[in-house]
Formats: sequence, C-alpha cells, structure tokens
Amino acid sequence: KQEVTQIPAALSVPEGENLVLNCSFTDSAIYNLQWFRQDPGKGLTSLLLIQSSQREQTSGRLNASLDKSSGRSTLYIAASQPGDSATYLCAVTTTDSWGKLQFGAGTQVVVTP
Amino acid sequence: DVKVTQSSRYLVKRTGEKVFLECVQDMDHENMFWYRQDPGLGLRLIYFSYDVKMKEKGDIPEGYSVSREKKERFSLILESASTNQTSMYLCASSFVQEIQQPQHFGDGTRLSIL
Repeated sequence: KQEVTQIPAALSVPEGENLVLNCSFTDSAIYNLQWFRQDPGKGLTSLLLIQSSQREQTSGRLNASLDKSSGRSTLYIAASQPGDSATYLCAVTTTDSWGKLQFGAGTQVVVTP
Repeated sequence: DVKVTQSSRYLVKRTGEKVFLECVQDMDHENMFWYRQDPGLGLRLIYFSYDVKMKEKGDIPEGYSVSREKKERFSLILESASTNQTSMYLCASSFVQEIQQPQHFGDGTRLSIL
C-alpha cells in the first residue's frame, strides 16, 4: 500500500527566506504527484502537478522536483512572504487507483514578518 | 473556472442522527470523491464515484454510504452519526480521461457530532 510522508510537520521561517518542503512515497508506480495548499478552515488549492515522466515543474516562485526512483519530491518556495503561511500537502496518484489520491499529512508553514 | 460546492461549511448534529453532506460540481467531471481530514492523519478517502450510480469504497468506508443519482451531485451519508465522525469533510472532482489534471476541491464541511 502506498504511503506518503511529509517532513517536517511544521516549519517557521522569517520573511524572505526560501522554503524547502519534503515529500516521500513508498511505491514508485505513480501517474503523478501533486502539491496543494490549504488555508485554515478551507479546501485545497492545487499548486503544481508533476507527471511521472517529468523531473520538475515551475510556477512563479514555486518549483517542485520529482525523483520517482527514490520516491521523493521537494517543493521550493523562493523569497517567502507572510501570505505563504498555510499547510502544504503532497499527494500521489498511483497507477492502479482510478485517479484516487494518496495524501501526506502536510507541513504547516508560518512565515514571520 | 471549476467550482465544487459543498452545501454547508459548518454542521452540528447529534449522535444517532442520519446526516447528509452534499457536493455539487459544475464541470461535467465523471469522478467525484469524499475525503475526511483529521489532524496528523491527512486526508483519507471514504468513497469515490466514477459515474452516475457507480461507487467504490475508499480506505475508510465504515459508517458511511454515498449516493450519485446525477452526474453533478455526490452525497455522503452518515447512517447513524457517532462522535468519532466529527471531522472536516472534503469533496473533490476530476475527469476520468484526464488523469494528469488536478482534482478540484470544495471548501469543506466541518462536522461536529455531539
């Protein structure tokens, strides 16, 4: 069974620092890996989706890498801002899953002014 | 823009009640999903549906059922609510044939069972 782990569970950085969030998964048979953002009491917003054949995806200050063979993904957020404070979740779509997502527990990020 | 709408943001019910959570999407997505989210456990899949009247169990279906009579609407039913079903419930939808497109989520329903 696929297991997805996110470390650390919480992170606090001063404004302007780069953020590095880690995600690992146990089964490399995936269609894709997605990164989501969740604000308190809200639903999930998709940030980036990396297909299994890709090594990275970029959107503005966000860059996500994927190393399928080692079961790892990293989300980089450059020059963090207080508005980046949220919980970040990664999820994988496994090849036998009808598009179902398997989620990590998330990393709660606080960016202090 | 895709819109997934959950009927209630907050809901308080009593133990033993039958509870209905409703979700509607406006993008003609075939797939619809119900997750629950608990601190430290992340999101766990309860049920999903890939077509009208079709449903499949997820990882934690016990104590729940679902209904999909129309393509745009997916209902989660707590047959006899219990306090351990207090949680945040999230609905999502996606296209069957576009697995490389992200799932779209509603804002969630925070359900408290007293």
